[in-house]
Amino acid sequence: GENVEQHPSTLSVQEGDSAVIKCTYSDSASNYFPWYKQELGKRPQLIIDIRSNVGEKKDQRIAVTLNKTAKHFSLHITETQPEDSAVYFCAASRGNNDMRFGAGTRLTVKP
Amino acid sequence: KAGVTQTPRYLIKTRGQQVTLSCSPISGHRSVSWYQQTPGQGLQFLFEYFSETQRNKGNFPGRFSGRQFSNSRSEMNVSTLELGDSALYLCASSLNFGANVLTFGAGSRLTVL
Repeated sequence: GENVEQHPSTLSVQEGDSAVIKCTYSDSASNYFPWYKQELGKRPQLIIDIRSNVGEKKDQRIAVTLNKTAKHFSLHITETQPEDSAVYFCAASRGNNDMRFGAGTRLTVKP
Repeated sequence: KAGVTQTPRYLIKTRGQQVTLSCSPISGHRSVSWYQQTPGQGLQFLFEYFSETQRNKGNFPGRFSGRQFSNSRSEMNVSTLELGDSALYLCASSLNFGANVLTFGAGSRLTVL
């Protein structure tokens, strides 16, 4: 089955710096790659997603890149703010709602 | 538009008991998926229901089951509870089967003593 690895497990940056989180997946049939943000005690919320026919997608300060050949995708957050502090999860699926999640990255943005 | 509603939010059970959790999806959403979240195992897929049929199933024992009603509301049941079943159970709804964009509920936190 699909296996998703996520790195790093923790990431600390200064406010205003960029943060990058990387994920690799094993199933070449995976075609949908969402990123979720989960603040302490709250539900995971979709922040951006990308499908396998696209290499990059941006939404304001957030971008995701996908390299299908290497089977990895990354989340980029620019100009980080303290409210970006949360746990971020990557996921991969074959086009159904059986999402395989990475273990999560705890991002801390220091003011 | 109301979000995904899960009940109960918190519950405590003892080993051997069973538990039923409920999920009401966003109005108009027809697919409901269930996930288990634990510090050790992260987010793991349990199953997905669409049109009252289980469409996908994760790698969990048969003690974990679910169903979906004609109004798309879903329940999951865990029988013969074990200590390791303590977790946050998250329900997520999406518009259709395979639509992928999941909206999660706040979860039901189960503690097994």
